Amino acid sequence: ETGVTQSPTHLIKTRGQQVTLRCSSQSGHNTVSWYQQALGQGPQFIFQYYREEENGRGNFPPRFSGLQFPNYSSELNVNALELDDSALYLCASSLELSTDTQYFGPGTRLTVL
Amino acid sequence: KQEVTQIPAALSVPEGENLVLNCSFTDSAIYNLQWFRQDPGKGLTSLLLIQSSQREQTSGRLNASLDKSSGRSTLYIAASQPGDSATYLCAGYYSGGSNYKLTFGKGTLLTVNP
Repeated sequence: ETGVTQSPTHLIKTRGQQVTLRCSSQSGHNTVSWYQQALGQGPQFIFQYYREEENGRGNFPPRFSGLQFPNYSSELNVNALELDDSALYLCASSLELSTDTQYFGPGTRLTVL
Repeated sequence: KQEVTQIPAALSVPEGENLVLNCSFTDSAIYNLQWFRQDPGKGLTSLLLIQSSQREQTSGRLNASLDKSSGRSTLYIAASQPGDSATYLCAGYYSGGSNYKLTFGKGTLLTVNP
């Protein structure tokens, strides 16, 4: 167990809808990163938050947005869902901005119909 | 462009065999390299983190090496067991300004047959 939790476990949405995924980091971890893992692929970096500010973004459109809260929880929001957004969404927390180990949650499986 | 490649994509071995999983990366500006295990439909479990100043790390039956000059890392699994069956992912830490992101390979699906 990594101490990182995510909710919900599974989610089914239809195209065009909006979704919010949640992550609870390990206590004291100021950095959270979000990744998208399509079936049969490795995870792709979406963005990173550090002390409640976005601190870097991968090649994802603006309809992917996030928030990080002082209580070590965070959210990933996706607007105007597309079929290709169907994937496993993983959050990972780490202590600070560094190359120390990132601890991953179990993921949220999003299916867009 | 930062790319991580894993070979083979799938591997099936009999129980007890020693095996090597390969990972190559294109950008030598990699900081650290981390190996993960992923069970079907699950999240990632960190196995080993190799700092850029190190050449290898060991944990139990696992040994990972890192050669930045050749752009390669290997994960060695000794005396494989059916419980080792999973997808193994390697990921390099790269700097994107002030953030450190992981760039992943597609993984190697390992099946250990009893």
